[in-house]
Amino acid sequence: EAQVTQNPRYLITVTGKKLTVTCSQNMNHEYMSWYRQDPGLGLRQIYYSMNVEVTDKGDVPEGYKVSRKEKRNFPLILESPSPNQTSLYFCASSLPASDTQYFGPGTRLTVL
Amino acid sequence: AQSVTQLGSHVSVSEGALVLLRCNYSSSVPPYLFWYVQYPNQGLQLLLKYTSAATLVKGINGFEAEFKKSETSFHLTKPSAHMSDAAEYFCAVRTYSGGYQKVTFGTGTKLQVIP
Repeated sequence: EAQVTQNPRYLITVTGKKLTVTCSQNMNHEYMSWYRQDPGLGLRQIYYSMNVEVTDKGDVPEGYKVSRKEKRNFPLILESPSPNQTSLYFCASSLPASDTQYFGPGTRLTVL
Repeated sequence: AQSVTQLGSHVSVSEGALVLLRCNYSSSVPPYLFWYVQYPNQGLQLLLKYTSAATLVKGINGFEAEFKKSETSFHLTKPSAHMSDAAEYFCAVRTYSGGYQKVTFGTGTKLQVIP
């Protein structure tokens, strides 16, 4: 089944404790992206990747890192999480010439 | 720069009534436009997309949208609302610039369907 998976689905952590949210897709998509969703703000793009080893900042990259060492994986790293990063996070992927993004189920992160 | 404006963060309609969710965009290059739906506790699913072909686009679940360049709009409609349409709807614009893709989402509209 074609899908985007994220882990964990739910995470409660404390300020400053490094964490990684994994994202994996099995559709051989070149383009992958991370978004955060906050009430009243919709989805805002954090980082995106056009292909392996090619990443760029989205609209709200501060406090986040990403890497793209393999085509299927695009982890989101929070080196020192803060309470303002409490949010719902979505990973998405697509073919570059295509226009439909496939979204993962989301990761709800709470930083205390 | 590109942007998307969704008018109305909450819309309520009666079951069987017309659904109209508004989306206006701003883009300096020809855009691709999308509507996504998010059901409670789920990710986003594509409803429909405009990719510079027909201006009237039909999607899943009876939804359609019309691209109007002169009005920079891409409003979502459905003739008759069903209870199962209750969800949050997001309009998005996607452009290519300098070899990179840029996607911008609107702030979303929550649709409530009243029995």
